[in-house]
Parts: sequence; C-alpha cells; structure tokens
Amino acid sequence: SQQGEEDPQALSIQEGENATMNCSYKTSINNLQWYRQNSGRGLVHLILIRSNEREKHSGRLRVTLDTSKKSSSLLITASRAADTASYFCATDEDTGNQFYFGTGTSLTVIP
Amino acid sequence: GAGVSQSPSNKVTEKGKDVELRCDPISGHTALYWYRQSLGQGLEFLIYFQGNSAPDKSGLPSDRFSAERTGGSVSTLTIQRTQQEDSAVYLCASSRLAPNTEAFFGQGTRLTVV
Repeated sequence: SQQGEEDPQALSIQEGENATMNCSYKTSINNLQWYRQNSGRGLVHLILIRSNEREKHSGRLRVTLDTSKKSSSLLITASRAADTASYFCATDEDTGNQFYFGTGTSLTVIP
Repeated sequence: GAGVSQSPSNKVTEKGKDVELRCDPISGHTALYWYRQSLGQGLEFLIYFQGNSAPDKSGLPSDRFSAERTGGSVSTLTIQRTQQEDSAVYLCASSRLAPNTEAFFGQGTRLTVV
C-alpha cells in the first residue's frame, strides 16, 4: 500500500518566518490532503487539493501539487507559536478508498 | 453528533485481556476509518467501512483485531488477548463520501497494555 512521506521530519523556525513541508507519494491519486495534529491526539483537516489542481490557498496556507513528481508542499506563511504541531499529508490511490498517511513533520515555532 | 466521538479516552488494560474501543461517527457520514498511531509515529491504517459494502480489513495487524459497524453508524474495534505492542492511540475518522472529501477525526483512545 502506498504511503506519503513528509520531509523534513522536524522543523524549527522563529515566529514570523515561513514554514515549508514537503510530501512525496508513490502511486496515482485522486486527492491529497494536509492535516494537523496537536499533542498526539485528533487530527484536524487543513486543506484538500485534487489531482487536477496545482495550487490552493486557505488563509496563511498554500499547498502545491505536482503529480508528475508525485509531490506536494505545504507552506505556512508568517508562522505563529500556535502553529506548533505535527503536519501530515494523506493520499488516496485512484483505485482505492482509504487515506494513507505519511509519517509527519513536527513543526516548532519559537516565539 | 457535532463531531466524531470516541470512548474511552484512555484505557489501561492488563496483557492478555480483551478491549473494546468505540467510535460514534458524524451523523450521515457513510465512510468510517480506524487508524493506529504509535508514539511519535505516523498513522497506520487498520480498517475502512463504506456504507453497506464489505469492509476493507487489509490493515488489521493480526487476527486478534476485529471491528464491526452496526447499522451503518457506531463502530467497535475489538482487540483480543492484548499485547504490549498494541499500546498506541487508536483514531477513528468519518467522512461523507470517500475518498473525495475531508475526514473528520475523533480525539482517539489511548490504549496502554501493562
């Protein structure tokens, strides 16, 4: 089964800086989603980008998708201490139904 | 309900005992997923229910794990003869229509096997 892989595994930045996280996957997909997890419990959906889309924005979030490279990036602009969390990408194979999650990027924003 | 509800929030059990974890999805969501997350790790897919279709059990790690979904709503994940390696956070999610919509997650059940 495919699984996304985030890069870097951990990222530490100063408040106000931008944070960029990358996700790579293995097979063709319908959608790619980014989720955020605080304190190792429930995940919160951030943004969904479909396979025919290249870029999507939501507030301070910008997501890009390159299906030829099977990769996506999540950019958080003007980071805040409250953005400290783990960020996961999730993909679904275009022949399947489940979401497959990567191993996550742990982001620390230093006030 | 307002969100996905999981119970209990925390469960400590002795090795060898059986446990049941409950998930109450958002009303009207036909898709329901169970995932497992070990400390500091990513999410491991366990099982997926979609409407009245046969569940996808391909992620269940052993025959000690089983899950059911009654009436297309509440789901129960059962782990028999628990082992220490079963210790993890078990997360449930539901969505309106898989896989093209966002999944809503519960807060998880933290299982500790001692």
